[in-house]
Amino acid sequence: RKEVEQDPGPFNVPEGATVAFNCTYSNSASQSFFWYRQDCRKEPKLLMSVYSSGNEDGRFTAQLNRASQYISLLIRDSKLSDSATYLCGGGDSWGKLQFGAGTQVVVTP
Amino acid sequence: EAQVTQNPRYLITVTGKKLTVTCSQNMNHEYMSWYRQDPGLGLRQIYYSMNVEVTDKGDVPEGYKVSRKEKRNFPLILESPSPNQTSLYFCASSLGSSRGGQYFGPGTRLTVT
Repeated sequence: RKEVEQDPGPFNVPEGATVAFNCTYSNSASQSFFWYRQDCRKEPKLLMSVYSSGNEDGRFTAQLNRASQYISLLIRDSKLSDSATYLCGGGDSWGKLQFGAGTQVVVTP
Repeated sequence: EAQVTQNPRYLITVTGKKLTVTCSQNMNHEYMSWYRQDPGLGLRQIYYSMNVEVTDKGDVPEGYKVSRKEKRNFPLILESPSPNQTSLYFCASSLGSSRGGQYFGPGTRLTVT
């Protein structure tokens, strides 16, 4: 069983709609969490860090639920340019970082 | 420009021929890490380094070596590559393992025949 699990998708989303997906983690030592965006086998790029209180960056909202060990990402008013694979990652304080295999989002006109 | 660079970007080699993939960052980051990415398996951490002369194993370290003699450089060494090491490799750096997100290099596509 992978330490970090994601629904691979694809999530097909009409332009302008809202999409949300989760990522579960099993390493209870994980302290920091992130969402990355990856386009077609290019390098992942940081989308946002995830904090316990939840955080928002424009149309993107991330939440962390430590009790249930999952993080979530919500995208509002989806744009065609949001089509990508979204990777979640979690790290412990000793330097180990683990990622999920990614959730593919396809925004359609 | 703040960046992580990797070389080479593409490499085709044969089984058993030692190779090194270089990684360099210009952001004075303490933390650096290597990952491999395979379809369906996502990013898996190979090795990481919290600072100069400090390295540790990630989830898939077998068949790889690293060194961190300088803060900016973190080369990945394959002493005797095998076909199952054919993959897309990423180097990344950050201020700390849990301080901010990581900056990734552009990736190295390695094929071992």
